[in-house]
Amino acid sequence: TQLLEQSPQFLSIQEGENLTVYCNSSSVFSSLQWYRQEPGEGPVLLVTVVTGGEVKKLKRLTFQFGDARKDSSLHITAAQPGDTGLYLCAGAQGNYGQNFVFGPGTRLSVLP
Amino acid sequence: ETGVTQTPRHLVMGMTNKKSLKCEQHLGHNAMYWYKQSAKKPLELMFVYSLEERVENNSVPSRFSPECPNSSHLFLHLHTLQPEDSALYLCASSPGQGKGYYEQYFGPGTRLTVT
Repeated sequence: TQLLEQSPQFLSIQEGENLTVYCNSSSVFSSLQWYRQEPGEGPVLLVTVVTGGEVKKLKRLTFQFGDARKDSSLHITAAQPGDTGLYLCAGAQGNYGQNFVFGPGTRLSVLP
Repeated sequence: ETGVTQTPRHLVMGMTNKKSLKCEQHLGHNAMYWYKQSAKKPLELMFVYSLEERVENNSVPSRFSPECPNSSHLFLHLHTLQPEDSALYLCASSPGQGKGYYEQYFGPGTRLTVT
C-alpha cells in the first residue's frame, strides 16, 4: 500500500488569510483527488487532478499536481469560516485506478 | 445530497449481535466502496465492487461480510464485532470501469459503536 502524508495536520487561521496544505508520497499515482469533510458527514469531492504539473482553480481554491505525480498542494486565498473542515487527499492505484489511498487529512479552522 | 444514502446513520450493537449496514446510490455508477474511518487514522478502504463483482478486499476480518446484489445497492453484514471496530463506516460510489474511477461520491456514513 502506498502511503500519503499531509501537512500540516492542524491549521488555525483568521478570516481573510491565505494558506497552503500539502499532500506528499514517495509513489506515483494515476490521479489524485482532494476532498473536504465536515463533522458527521462523508467527504465531498473538490477536484481530481490527473496530469503531472496540472493546475486547477475552483473559485478561491487552487490545486496543483506535481510534475512527477507524487505530490499535490491546495492553496486557499482569503479563507472564510465556511472553509473550515478536514481536507483529505487521495491517490488512485490499481489496474484501473479503482483502489484509493487516503492521507490522514489537514484539519483547518478559519476564525471570524 | 451526493446521491449516496446510508442507513442507519447511527448503530449501537453488542459483540454478539448481527446487524447490516445499507448503502444505495442513485447516480447510475458501476463501482461501490466500503471505507472505515477511525479517530486519528486515515480512511481505510475495505471493499470495492465493480459491476457487482468484488475486485478489492483489503485484508478485512471475516466478521465483516459485504454483499452487492446489484450496482445500486451495497450491504455490509456485521457479526461478532469487537470494540475496536467502532468507527464511522462510509460508502462511496464512482462511475467505474469504462467510465472512470476518478470521482468518488460518499454517503454520510454510519456511526457504529460496539459495546
